Amino acid sequence: GAVVSQHPSRVICKSGTSVKIECRSLDFQATTMFWYRQFPKQSLMLMATSNEGSKATYEQGVEKDKFLINHASLTLSTLTVTSAHPEDSSFYICSASPISNRNTIYFGEGSWLTVV
Amino acid sequence: DAKTTQPNSMESNEEEPVHLPCNHSTISGTDYIHWYRQLPSQGPEYVIHGLTSNVNNRMASLAIAEDRKSSTLILHRATLRDAAVYYCIQLNNAGNMLTFGGGTRLMVKP
Repeated sequence: GAVVSQHPSRVICKSGTSVKIECRSLDFQATTMFWYRQFPKQSLMLMATSNEGSKATYEQGVEKDKFLINHASLTLSTLTVTSAHPEDSSFYICSASPISNRNTIYFGEGSWLTVV
Repeated sequence: DAKTTQPNSMESNEEEPVHLPCNHSTISGTDYIHWYRQLPSQGPEYVIHGLTSNVNNRMASLAIAEDRKSSTLILHRATLRDAAVYYCIQLNNAGNMLTFGGGTRLMVKP
């Protein structure tokens, strides 16, 4: 079946540095991918909608200059956490819907970010 | 604004049926209703989805109200492995806009 892969699955970075998380659709193309954040024992929270070839749409309260999203191809979206702080430590997940079957959603396995 | 709501938590006994509700009162006519579940530290896992008619698969059943403003995920016989957070998600026909509830944490007692 369709697979969405995230890389890295776990990353530790120093406070003040930037870290990039990739979301790839391995066997389908997606014009739209979604990014979520999840703090421990809390619900998934939608951060932004990533659109291939255009700017991402951010949910209220999510800083677009801090969470840079690039969707340069139909199989890859990246989320860059800039100037990371310990409070950005979280589980980041992406999802994608295939162009060929837009009514389905495939989630990635998630990426753990720890900022020290 | 589109809004999808779910109860925060529910409890069930093992081997008993579980009905997990979701309200999506602002759903449009072409939005699909999806259900996913999530175990700790994992990405959400697909459970079932539908548009208007009730749906059945090996994992669960999905009952959709006639006005589509609510739906119910039915686990026919809960097992301990069904303990998870269940998310109800609305996805538009173009696949570029989704709304999801806060999730229901299902606890299954042996």
